[in-house]
Amino acid sequence: KNEVEQSPQNLTAQEGEFITINCSYSVGISALHWLQQHPGGGIVSLFMLSSGKKKHGRLIATINIQEKHSSLHITASHPRDSAVYICAVRSIGGAQKLVFGQGTRLTINP
Amino acid sequence: DSGVTQTPKHLITATGQRVTLRCSPRSGDLSVYWYQQSLDQGLQFLIQYYNGEERAKGNILERFSAQQFPDLHSELNLSSLELGDSALYFCASSRNQETQYFGPGTRLLVL
Repeated sequence: KNEVEQSPQNLTAQEGEFITINCSYSVGISALHWLQQHPGGGIVSLFMLSSGKKKHGRLIATINIQEKHSSLHITASHPRDSAVYICAVRSIGGAQKLVFGQGTRLTINP
Repeated sequence: DSGVTQTPKHLITATGQRVTLRCSPRSGDLSVYWYQQSLDQGLQFLIQYYNGEERAKGNILERFSAQQFPDLHSELNLSSLELGDSALYFCASSRNQETQYFGPGTRLLVL
């Protein structure tokens, strides 16, 4: 079993829908990252969080440390949100080493 | 644009060869990280340098080595290349334990 599991692996939705991507992890962590990888391959860091909730534009990330679970939400989804979303965790005592989930491929149709 | 640069963008080479990938971090960032992304393994952490010193090591093969220079740029050396080394290699940089900023990646194809 991987240390970081994401669901779903693939998600297709219509423009405007509310999107939720889930990430569960099995180790104690000091931080969790959400990354976005565009079809061209470039990776953008969306959020880094260790507790609570963060919001940036239409994106919201939450984390529940007790349940070892995080969610990434996208409101009013748009075709340009189509990308692979990757969850990564930094374990306690793991220095800066990140362990990645397998990614969720999101496709938003117009 | 993340401010992290990587060269070259693409690299095609043959098995058994050696290549060097280069990364320049964002201005002021002391940490550089190297990652490998292959189709079957996903993203994997290779190694981290902080201000010239190795800070953390991940799943880096013995055939691979890296260093960070006094001007903070970093190089990843891959030797005795095998077909399975074909992948996207990303570098990222950060200040302390903050957000990591990723470069555009180097796409390596070993034939």
